[in-house]
Amino acid sequence: AQSVAQPEDQVNVAEGNPLTVKCTYSVSGNPYLFWYVQYPNRGLQFLLKYITGDNLVKGSYGFEAEFNKSQTSFHLKKPSALVSDSALYFCAVRDRYGGATNKLIFGTGTLLAVQP
Amino acid sequence: DTGVSQDPRHKITKRGQNVTFRCDPISEHNRLYWYRQTLGQGPEFLTYFQNEAQLEKSRLLSDRFSAERPKGSFSTLEIQRTEQGDSAMYLCASSPPVIETEKLFFGSGTQLSVL
Repeated sequence: AQSVAQPEDQVNVAEGNPLTVKCTYSVSGNPYLFWYVQYPNRGLQFLLKYITGDNLVKGSYGFEAEFNKSQTSFHLKKPSALVSDSALYFCAVRDRYGGATNKLIFGTGTLLAVQP
Repeated sequence: DTGVSQDPRHKITKRGQNVTFRCDPISEHNRLYWYRQTLGQGPEFLTYFQNEAQLEKSRLLSDRFSAERPKGSFSTLEIQRTEQGDSAMYLCASSPPVIETEKLFFGSGTQLSVL
């Protein structure tokens, strides 16, 4: 079965410092990986995706993610955190065996708290 | 900005009652998904529509749950004889026909509380 794991329930970082939110995956074949962000009282928003190509993927709001096949990881990163980045972050993998559905399988989420 | 719209935002009901939620996807999106999210967990897939056809249902979707998408536009999710375990955030998402986008657009969800 395809899955993603987010080992940290919460990540705390000071504003201006670099941030990393971790994600590891378990899939058969080549993974299609995603990061979504959820702000309070709002729906999930797409940040970025990895399908193929460069291992460093750039996304919205200055975020990027590094695909590492040997470590089966897809960590989310940002060089300089903002207080407004505080939110719940979800890693997801596309279910390659879902036929036409292309549904996403989400991790449990990591709460990012950026202190001023 | 006409994003994915869900109604109601909140629903409080007593155990045993029926509830119905509505989702209006982005107009040109033919793919529609329902997910359920409980506290401390990521969204879990419930069901998928392509146009008006319901192509997949999760094992999480018991016989008390039914979803429809008449005419391939809005969708409804009904829960009959609600149980306390049904309390969750119900999320709707849509995506356009072009599969390469691989991007889901989510609504703000309907928070269900079963007392």
